[in-house]
Amino acid sequence: DAGVIQSPRHEVTEMGQEVTLRCKLISGHNSLFWYRQTMMRGLELLIYFNNNVPIDDSGMPEDRFSAKMPNASFSTLKIQPSEPRDSAVYFCASSFRGRGYTFGSGTRLTVV
Amino acid sequence: SQELEQSPQSLIVQEGKNLTINCTSSKTLYGLYWYKQKYGEGLIFLMMLQKGGEEKSHEKITAKLDEKKQQSSLHITASQPSHAGIYLCGADPPSGNTGKLIFGQGTTLQVKP
Repeated sequence: DAGVIQSPRHEVTEMGQEVTLRCKLISGHNSLFWYRQTMMRGLELLIYFNNNVPIDDSGMPEDRFSAKMPNASFSTLKIQPSEPRDSAVYFCASSFRGRGYTFGSGTRLTVV
Repeated sequence: SQELEQSPQSLIVQEGKNLTINCTSSKTLYGLYWYKQKYGEGLIFLMMLQKGGEEKSHEKITAKLDEKKQQSSLHITASQPSHAGIYLCGADPPSGNTGKLIFGQGTTLQVKP
């Protein structure tokens, strides 16, 4: 199994641009989590899905952020418009019934 | 809401020395996870503890969960440069297995050769 796959690994974009981060879950996992990591705030949960359904999006910073799971194995996190304060490493993780969390390698986002 | 506090925040040890990292919860833990992260990379799962008093070991790393299930420790014996990184504890919220992990701030470990 290739594990949780995130793309791109690095993204540099200008303020105001739309950014889309992608995540492919481990086959058979039914929960998907998006986290954001910064030096100041550590690792924060943004949103998570169970069986493709968003369960808790209370961690999503504001309306500029949106996440989707168009199918059981894929998710996107979109920021529109992006701002410099969105610069962080974004991780997705998947699990099966809340156990065995596996993290992707992350996307390092820099908004200039 | 539940919070996880890790100590120390950072640690520098000489190669070969033992060290301990602590993770304290404001509420009873229903599942405690330890992860290791290298800078710029993802989190690597180390161990999971669920029962009070539980202890698990993998190679030179031992993790324990106290009887009250509010504190966990991660102990590294005879540290090596390969142990360097950020160690994070994560926990299921008090409501149990919701699939949502809460993380501590992390402990940065440097091992001097």
